[in-house]
Amino acid sequence: EPEVTQTPSHQVTQMGQEVILRCVPISNHLYFYWYRQILGQKVEFLVSFYNNEISEKSEIFDDQFSVERPDGSNFTLKIRSTKLEDSAMYFCASSRRVLYGYTFGSGTRLTVV
Amino acid sequence: DAKTTQPNSMESNEEEPVHLPCNHSTISGTDYIHWYRQLPSQGPEYVIHGLTSNVNNRMASLAIAEDRKSSTLILHRATLRDAAVYYCILNSGNTPLVFGKGTRLSVIA
Repeated sequence: EPEVTQTPSHQVTQMGQEVILRCVPISNHLYFYWYRQILGQKVEFLVSFYNNEISEKSEIFDDQFSVERPDGSNFTLKIRSTKLEDSAMYFCASSRRVLYGYTFGSGTRLTVV
Repeated sequence: DAKTTQPNSMESNEEEPVHLPCNHSTISGTDYIHWYRQLPSQGPEYVIHGLTSNVNNRMASLAIAEDRKSSTLILHRATLRDAAVYYCILNSGNTPLVFGKGTRLSVIA
């Protein structure tokens, strides 16, 4: 069964450093998403991406965050200057069409120290 | 997205059916009912979705009330691997999925 692949599985970074989280969505999917989940809390929407542009973003997705689909296969989330409160699991998801099920990756655990 | 109400937690015995309820009294005509689950230390996983008619797939069944104000996810025979948080989400496709707190299902051997 096709999978969404996320790397790395765990990243530790110092406060103020830039991090890039990588995702390889399912190849024939057209819609891409980033979510995050702080330990013990809800899964929160960050951003959705379609047709090479952001289609929607949440209040969490401020100027410190950016997304890119640099080469037609990877989908990346960049955090420019990490804060302690950015520590969370970050999940990438993709779907073939609107209203189709999302396929989520296993996540990247980001720890900011 | 319209709001859903689910019990915080439920418990089931292994190999018995589980009925997970969801209330969504403010559902609109274009809202689909989606169910996802999140196993421990994993990302959410799609389970099933439907609009008006009951739906079945290899994982579960979705029973939708005639007035669409409630629905029930049915796991026909719970296994220990079904222990997870189950999310009922309304979505019309115009916005991304929004996850609530869900129902934590415990399965007892």
